[in-house]
Amino acid sequence: GAGVSQTPSNKVTEKGKYVELRCDPISGHTALYWYRQSLGQGPEFLIYFQGTGAADDSGLPNDRFFAVRPEGSVSTLKIQRTERGDSAVYLCASSLDAGTDTQYFGPGTRLTVL
Amino acid sequence: KQEVTQIPAALSVPEGENLVLNCSFTDSAIYNLQWFRQDPGKGLTSLLLIQSSQREQTSGRLNASLDKSSGRSTLYIAASQPGDSATYLCAVRGAGANNLFFGTGTRLTVIP
Repeated sequence: GAGVSQTPSNKVTEKGKYVELRCDPISGHTALYWYRQSLGQGPEFLIYFQGTGAADDSGLPNDRFFAVRPEGSVSTLKIQRTERGDSAVYLCASSLDAGTDTQYFGPGTRLTVL
Repeated sequence: KQEVTQIPAALSVPEGENLVLNCSFTDSAIYNLQWFRQDPGKGLTSLLLIQSSQREQTSGRLNASLDKSSGRSTLYIAASQPGDSATYLCAVRGAGANNLFFGTGTRLTVIP
């Protein structure tokens, strides 16, 4: 079956612009996670959704970052007034439910802020 | 906050060698520990998952061990192959949490 997909695969934007990154989880997975991976680092947790609600957004670095999952499936990570320090690979993962251990990761979106 | 460390940061071995990758974590109150593989430009592939009550897990040429009390895990790769070349990431899930805390990874190169 289809895995987690993310679009776009690459996004180049200018400092100060607004960007949206999309994640399509595995069909039927109720839990969805966003992580950010900077060069040479491991992924860092941003936000976790259970269904439509953000169950844990403690990893969002500041209020320029926001994520939604209005119908409990596709999620969009939104970044306002982008800064050069936002450049990273943004990874999305999904799992069958919050209690299921295995998180399945998408290929990521590489964001470059010039 | 949980901190996960992986040593070495990079490793280069000739094909056929057995090797060990190390992972340590600061908070022993974990739910489970996972080892992932990451290829350039691609997402993460889960290799092995060890529950907090388990000591080890095996899959093919891979064996992962967990010593929760000392905050350590190892990934053993037997008879390494060039196709094993990738970055290996260790991640722990804290008790009562849903997100994963990752190490910085070990970049493995297996030379033919």
